[in-house]
Amino acid sequence: KQEVTQIPAALSVPEGENLVLNCSFTDSAIYNLQWFRQDPGKGLTSLLLIQSSQREQTSGRLNASLDKSSGRSTLYIAASQPGDSATYLCAATNDYKLSFGAGTTVTVRA
Amino acid sequence: DAGITQSPRHKVTETGTPVTLRCHQTENHRYMYWYRQDPGHGLRLIHYSYGVKDTDKGEVSDGYSVSRSKTEDFLLTLESATSSQTSVYFCAISADRFEGHEQFFGPGTRLTVL
Repeated sequence: KQEVTQIPAALSVPEGENLVLNCSFTDSAIYNLQWFRQDPGKGLTSLLLIQSSQREQTSGRLNASLDKSSGRSTLYIAASQPGDSATYLCAATNDYKLSFGAGTTVTVRA
Repeated sequence: DAGITQSPRHKVTETGTPVTLRCHQTENHRYMYWYRQDPGHGLRLIHYSYGVKDTDKGEVSDGYSVSRSKTEDFLLTLESATSSQTSVYFCAISADRFEGHEQFFGPGTRLTVL
């Protein structure tokens, strides 16, 4: 069974600082690693998807890396803004199933 | 945004009553999923569908049934709701299950069972 862990559970940074969010998974036989953002009381917004054959993916200020051999993915958010405050979830795809981490709740202080 | 709607968005019901949640998509994606999200447990898969009339169980399927009679609609039924089924329910879709195919999520349904 795939186990996905996200550390830290919460993070508070001043505006402008770079964010580093970590995700680890136990089963490296994944199809994809997907990062989501969830605002309080809202649904999940897909941020980035890294295919198992890729090492990283970028979108604007967001960059995600994937190291299957070590079972790790990292999401980097450059020059954080208060609007980046949210919970970030990573999820690993094995076959049809997404296995989610518990999330990292980020607060960016103005 | 992927065209996914869920109805109702909020529902309060009583223990023992049947409840049906609906997920509707306009993307013509083959795969549809139902998840529940609970504090301390994160998101867990209830059931999924890989085509019309083709469904299978996820990791927390007890007490739930699903049906998919059309590509665009995936129904989740709680035959006899219990307080432990109080949760936020999310529907998701994907074009396929293989490498490169994202899952997109609907806005969620908040269900309270009294």
